[in-house]
Amino acid sequence: GESVGLHLPTLSVQEGDNSIINCAYSNSASDYFIWYKQESGKGPQFIIDIRSNMDKRQGQRVTVLLNKTVKHLSLQIAATQPGDSAVYFCAESPMDSNYQLIWGAGTKLIIKP
Amino acid sequence: KAGVTQTPRYLIKTRGQQVTLSCSPISGHRSVSWYQQTPGQGLQFLFEYFSETQRNKGNFPGRFSGRQFSNSRSEMNVSTLELGDSALYLCASSRQLGAEAFFGQGTRLTVV
Repeated sequence: GESVGLHLPTLSVQEGDNSIINCAYSNSASDYFIWYKQESGKGPQFIIDIRSNMDKRQGQRVTVLLNKTVKHLSLQIAATQPGDSAVYFCAESPMDSNYQLIWGAGTKLIIKP
Repeated sequence: KAGVTQTPRYLIKTRGQQVTLSCSPISGHRSVSWYQQTPGQGLQFLFEYFSETQRNKGNFPGRFSGRQFSNSRSEMNVSTLELGDSALYLCASSRQLGAEAFFGQGTRLTVV
């Protein structure tokens, strides 16, 4: 279903280190997954997507890994920068829900100087 | 190419009033979704329209309604506003259902 929860999980990372943000998805019928980044005061922005026929996809400084066996998705950000501070959401698109995007609760990424 | 445009950006309303928010999708996009976001929470799905038809609906009371016009522009309406309706309302457009969604800046609604 839709995202739930009163408190966002938070991840604190040292500037320059790699960040790994995890997401457990719910529907085994999901065949498309997207990561979004939401900076303060802005709407979410697309980062990277992956289809269920892939295990890994790389973008610029970001990598998404998909483990369909345990229904787990992760976003890896290399050499984290201050501009990476944001809330990160994963979303899944299940074929059996009319392709409605189902959103995770979000993870707040804090970059320590 | 212009992005998703939401108007107004900020709105203050009194309890019991009604409000209409507007969303203009990216040109060529036929799907428009609406979300409610409150501080510290994720995105709560309201509804999704495709080709003027509501295709998906979230778990919100009937006070929340929407529509989509033939040019894909969409409006959402909230009647009998409650304090708890104060939130950021986000609109997203995509070419097809379930495809990559592009978000607008949102409308910040405050109910007093």
